[in-house]
Amino acid sequence: NAGVTQTPKFRVLKTGQSMTLLCAQDMNHEYMYWYRQDPGMGLRLIHYSVGEGTTAKGEVPDGYNVSRLKKQNFLLGLESAAPSQTSVYFCASRSSYNEQFFGPGTRLTVL
Amino acid sequence: QQPVQSPQAVILREGEDAVINCSSSKALYSVHWYRQKHGEAPVFLMILLKGGEQKGHEKISASFNEKKQQSSLYLTASQLSYSGTYFCGTEIRGSGGYQKVTFGIGTKLQVIP
Repeated sequence: NAGVTQTPKFRVLKTGQSMTLLCAQDMNHEYMYWYRQDPGMGLRLIHYSVGEGTTAKGEVPDGYNVSRLKKQNFLLGLESAAPSQTSVYFCASRSSYNEQFFGPGTRLTVL
Repeated sequence: QQPVQSPQAVILREGEDAVINCSSSKALYSVHWYRQKHGEAPVFLMILLKGGEQKGHEKISASFNEKKQQSSLYLTASQLSYSGTYFCGTEIRGSGGYQKVTFGIGTKLQVIP
């Protein structure tokens, strides 16, 4: 039982490049979330999903897209990376008891 | 709307108590509390679903005042292992508010010997 995993752990991009962050969970949870964490800003919700095939915008969705084609996976895409997207990205899934399980995070630097 | 946490930082000696507050301008459905140690992912502490409810976990407990839209986290007889950043997360009542947890900026707590 791996819980929530994220791929990759680290990544450096140049401005304008694109990439996809993968989140996978093996707990059969319906709800999944993507957050970004920046110093002094806390955890800010980017997008979330309440089930396979559904997604919704969070607080800071601009510049990101998501897809939830399979229940266990939640993908976060950056179409044209900007330095302002330099951050630590956390994925989380939520149990029926409302506890959120966070992945280990992806540290992204955009030059 | 991000909930507001206070204080932003606190330093305690082992054995001392602390209170971290969380407030929202919106009517709340639930309040979540998480702790994050440096370089790690946040870890769930507890969730409060009903107004006035208090929940506890060993020497860490919390209360939720639904009318005031406030929650407080109580750390009793602090231990070195309590050090970290504490986040409250809130779910707002009303359409579109459920299932979406919004976190505050966190309270950095350091326990020293």
